[in-house]
Amino acid sequence: AQSVTQLGSHVSVSEGALVLLRCNYSSSVPPYLFWYVQYPNQGLQLLLKYTSAATLVKGINGFEAEFKKSETSFHLTKPSAHMSDAAEYFCAVSAEWGGGSQGNLIFGKGTKLSVKP
Amino acid sequence: EAGVAQSPRYKIIEKRQSVAFWCNPISGHATLYWYQQILGQGPKLLIQFQNNGVVDDSQLPKDRFSAERLKGVDSTLKIQPAKLEDSAVYLCASSPGIHNEQFFGPGTRLTVL
Repeated sequence: AQSVTQLGSHVSVSEGALVLLRCNYSSSVPPYLFWYVQYPNQGLQLLLKYTSAATLVKGINGFEAEFKKSETSFHLTKPSAHMSDAAEYFCAVSAEWGGGSQGNLIFGKGTKLSVKP
Repeated sequence: EAGVAQSPRYKIIEKRQSVAFWCNPISGHATLYWYQQILGQGPKLLIQFQNNGVVDDSQLPKDRFSAERLKGVDSTLKIQPAKLEDSAVYLCASSPGIHNEQFFGPGTRLTVL
């Protein structure tokens, strides 16, 4: 069964500093991996997704993530944090349909990002 | 393009009462999902529909939760009777197909007293 572990429930960075949010996954089949962002009182918005093409995935708002199979990781980064990046970030995994998955997303517990001025 | 609509946005009920949530997906999206998001946790799938058929309801507490998507468009999720532990945000998402990007609605925040 697939699972996702997000290291750190809270991360605080200064404006302009590097953002690094960690995600490790467990999957018995080649995974599809996602990062979503959730602003207060809003639904989830897709930041980026990995679907077995390029291992370095670029998303919206300057975020990117690198798929590392050997480390079973899919960490999210942004070179320079903005105040508007303050939100909760969720990593999710969906098994490839060849493995019998129905496309369900299995989410991590989330990491709340705070950005200090 | 209109997004996923959900109503109500907030609901407060007492335990043992019943409650219903409504979701209208993006037009043309065949797949509809209901997720439960408890405070401090990631969303957890409750039920997945493909058109008006159920694909996965393995994590739906069927003794108290029910959901339907009769015409393959909008959907309702019902809880009867509610328990304290049902306090959560209920998110609806839709996608064009099973393996496409899921688009989420704003959610319904349920508080059970």
